[in-house]
Amino acid sequence: DTGVSQDPRHKITKRGQNVTFRCDPISEHNRLYWYRQTLGQGPEFLTYFQNEAQLEKSRLLSDRFSAERPKGSFSTLEIQRTEQGDSAMYLCASSLLVDLSEQYFGPGTRLTVT
Amino acid sequence: AQKVTQAQTEISVVEKEDVTLDCVYETRDTTYYLFWYKQPPSGELVFLIRRNSFDEQNEISGRYSWNFQKSTSSFNFTITASQVVDSAVYFCALRGRGGTASKLTFGTGTRLQVTL
Repeated sequence: DTGVSQDPRHKITKRGQNVTFRCDPISEHNRLYWYRQTLGQGPEFLTYFQNEAQLEKSRLLSDRFSAERPKGSFSTLEIQRTEQGDSAMYLCASSLLVDLSEQYFGPGTRLTVT
Repeated sequence: AQKVTQAQTEISVVEKEDVTLDCVYETRDTTYYLFWYKQPPSGELVFLIRRNSFDEQNEISGRYSWNFQKSTSSFNFTITASQVVDSAVYFCALRGRGGTASKLTFGTGTRLQVTL
């Protein structure tokens, strides 16, 4: 029984470059979430999908950020024209399509923008 | 708007001491869910417990116990006889009910350091 996986685990990029992260949820989970965590803070919600539909986006998700979940399975989060302020841990979580279901988190992708 | 406050930034205890982590929340929802997650040094958030707003029974799981008090909007977490392996950052989180209320709102976390 595999958990949520994320790839890559670490990414170092230069300011202005584009980066893409991937998340593979637990196989039977319909909901998939992206969060961002900066040092010393709790995770902050970015966006979430129910199957392939993106149902909510945070105001934190600027125009440079885009997320997809094309077939309702894995998801990608792309950041265009990265800025130093984008440096953070990007966490993916998934859950069942049941109101009482808890979210299970992946190990995260740590992004460093130099 | 939902808000979770964890006023304790860092707590240090000696092994075998009991420790309580505080969590206070704000929400306008009448039905909501509260969670505790553990984030060890490896970084992965580990789910510990979920509590529904309509169930105020306290819960005990081994050395862990949770005290939910709706009257004071608090959901505190106690570790009895702490161990070095309990060293981690602990997050309290809140979620509304249904559809677009699925996102978790986290507190800023409490770093627990357990030493020998």
